[in-house]
Amino acid sequence: EPEVTQTPSHQVTQMGQEVILRCVPISNHLYFYWYRQILGQKVEFLVSFYNNEISEKSEIFDDQFSVERPDGSNFTLKIRSTKLEDSAMYFCASSAGQGAATGELFFGEGSRLTVL
Amino acid sequence: LAKTTQPISMDSYEGQEVNITCSHNNIATNDYITWYQQFPSQGPRFIIQGYKTKVTNEVASLFIPADRKSSTLSLPRVSLSDTAVYYCLVGAVFNTDKLIFGTGTRLQVFP
Repeated sequence: EPEVTQTPSHQVTQMGQEVILRCVPISNHLYFYWYRQILGQKVEFLVSFYNNEISEKSEIFDDQFSVERPDGSNFTLKIRSTKLEDSAMYFCASSAGQGAATGELFFGEGSRLTVL
Repeated sequence: LAKTTQPISMDSYEGQEVNITCSHNNIATNDYITWYQQFPSQGPRFIIQGYKTKVTNEVASLFIPADRKSSTLSLPRVSLSDTAVYYCLVGAVFNTDKLIFGTGTRLQVFP
């Protein structure tokens, strides 16, 4: 069964450092997403990406965050200057159709980011 | 996007049927009802989606009454591996991508 893969599985970084989280979505999917989940809390939407541009973003996704699909297979989330409160599990997801309408997003296993 | 309310937690025993009900009084005409499952330290996994009446797949059934103000996820004969958090999501007007996860229902299955 095709799956979304994410790297790294765990990253520890110092506050203020840049972090790039990588994702390989399912190959024929067109919509890509990042969600995050702070330990013990809800899964929160960050951003959706379609046709090489951001289609929606949440208030969490401020200027410190950016996304890119550099080569047609990878989908990355960059945090420019990490803060302690960025510590969370970050999930990449992809879908064949517009996510909310089709409902079926395929999530990766997540990348745990720890900011010290 | 419609707000959802579901029990914080439920307990069950192996082999029992589990029904998790979600209230969504403000559901809009274009909204679908979608359920996801999440195991600890894993990404959510789609279980089932419906618009009205009943939907069944190999994993679960989803019952939606005519007024669509609630829905019930039914898991037949649960096993220990069904211990997870179950999320009810309502939304999906066609011009939005994001799914809004609530706090979910933590299902604990005992032997």
